[in-house]
Amino acid sequence: KAGVTQTPRYLIKTRGQQVTLSCSPISGHRSVSWYQQTPGQGLQFLFEYFSETQRNKGNFPGRFSGRQFSNSRSEMNVSTLELGDSALYLCASSPGFGVGGSEKLFFGSGTQLSVL
Amino acid sequence: KNEVEQSPQNLTAQEGEFITINCSYSVGISALHWLQQHPGGGIVSLFMLSSGKKKHGRLIATINIQEKHSSLHITASHPRDSAVYICAVSVMNNRLAFGKGNQVVVIP
Repeated sequence: KAGVTQTPRYLIKTRGQQVTLSCSPISGHRSVSWYQQTPGQGLQFLFEYFSETQRNKGNFPGRFSGRQFSNSRSEMNVSTLELGDSALYLCASSPGFGVGGSEKLFFGSGTQLSVL
Repeated sequence: KNEVEQSPQNLTAQEGEFITINCSYSVGISALHWLQQHPGGGIVSLFMLSSGKKKHGRLIATINIQEKHSSLHITASHPRDSAVYICAVSVMNNRLAFGKGNQVVVIP
């Protein structure tokens, strides 16, 4: 069974641009959650999607958004990029209950975003 | 105060030693996760606990719900165990909260 796939692996953007990151979950998994990891703040929860609906959201500005498609693949978008958005963005998938339940999470390798 | 606190922040051990790292949390949870992150970024979920104790190979994880505390033990530590170990809790309002991680280095 293929693992969680994130594309692209690396991305360089400039301030003010927007970026879209992709996450393909493990086949059969319906929950996809997104995280930001920085050296200063560590890992932080961005949002979670289940059956194409955003189920919950962390404490991030509206510039961070996402969506999920009918095949459970998910994308996250960051608009009007700021230097502080430079981070490793990770997604994780799980069969159903996701971050609020008692399920193991399966992480992708992440997208390293650098904002210049 | 962070919702999830981990200790010690850094730990160095000789190969073969028994290692214990700790996680305390201050919120109501439905589950606790121990994650392992090697240099390069990839995160692997080691355990998901909602009560009691779990064992996988040389790793043992325990949780005490009343005391809001969990420990991860590594027996017969090996250099390949060198990694950052992150404690995360599934908070009742459906989000994950993370600790800052324990940096573990095992010297041959």
